[in-house]
Amino acid sequence: DIVMTQSPLSLPVTPGEPASISCRSSQSLLHRNGNNYLDWYLQKPGQSPQLLIYFGSHRASGVPERFSGSGSGTDFTLKISRVEAEDVGIYFCMQSLLSITFGQGTRLEIK
Amino acid sequence: QIALKESGPTLIKPTQTLTLTCTFSGFSLSTSGVGVGWIRQPPGKALECLALIYWDDDKRYSPSLRSRLTITKDTAKNQVVLTMTNMDPVDTATYYCAHRFLGFDLWGRGTLVTVSS
Repeated sequence: DIVMTQSPLSLPVTPGEPASISCRSSQSLLHRNGNNYLDWYLQKPGQSPQLLIYFGSHRASGVPERFSGSGSGTDFTLKISRVEAEDVGIYFCMQSLLSITFGQGTRLEIK
Repeated sequence: QIALKESGPTLIKPTQTLTLTCTFSGFSLSTSGVGVGWIRQPPGKALECLALIYWDDDKRYSPSLRSRLTITKDTAKNQVVLTMTNMDPVDTATYYCAHRFLGFDLWGRGTLVTVSS
């Protein structure tokens, strides 16, 4: 299995400030077709997860521009340019190159 | 508008077989590239993808749970069914089904399944 490791596991952020979450995979997620098979999801309190980013850097439909994804191979980052109160929740990365595995999750909270 | 809804028992005894049904609308599971997956989340824990079925009947299973899982689709009924054998208390979780095209782009609300005698 490909192991996904996120950091930090807890992220207190002041509204209006940026935030960054790292996700590392135990194997490269870069397919020969040029896509990185890495998604980012947000699970808001009491809700189902929602897709934020697919293929490492493509924002899903309806996702605010303050969310961006970057990285390739084994190292990926989700950035929020200016955190808002509604961004609170648990962020998960997920690889789908070989089977599907999720990271442990990063809990973002407002300071 | 795409929607998915999970249904099945909320309480099941150890060693029994769990059968969950995902009923969806707003898309067809015969459309190229489309899939439906089952993902679970034990209380307070991370997500785990159990199984995934694609439009062409390609099926993918969690390697660690493969021997216990079966996923099938009924395109005419717009349903995907997951069976999981030999249930154990550690299988207590919220079970989600989700539409997959570019990522799991829409999820059902989930159904909590408790395994207890």
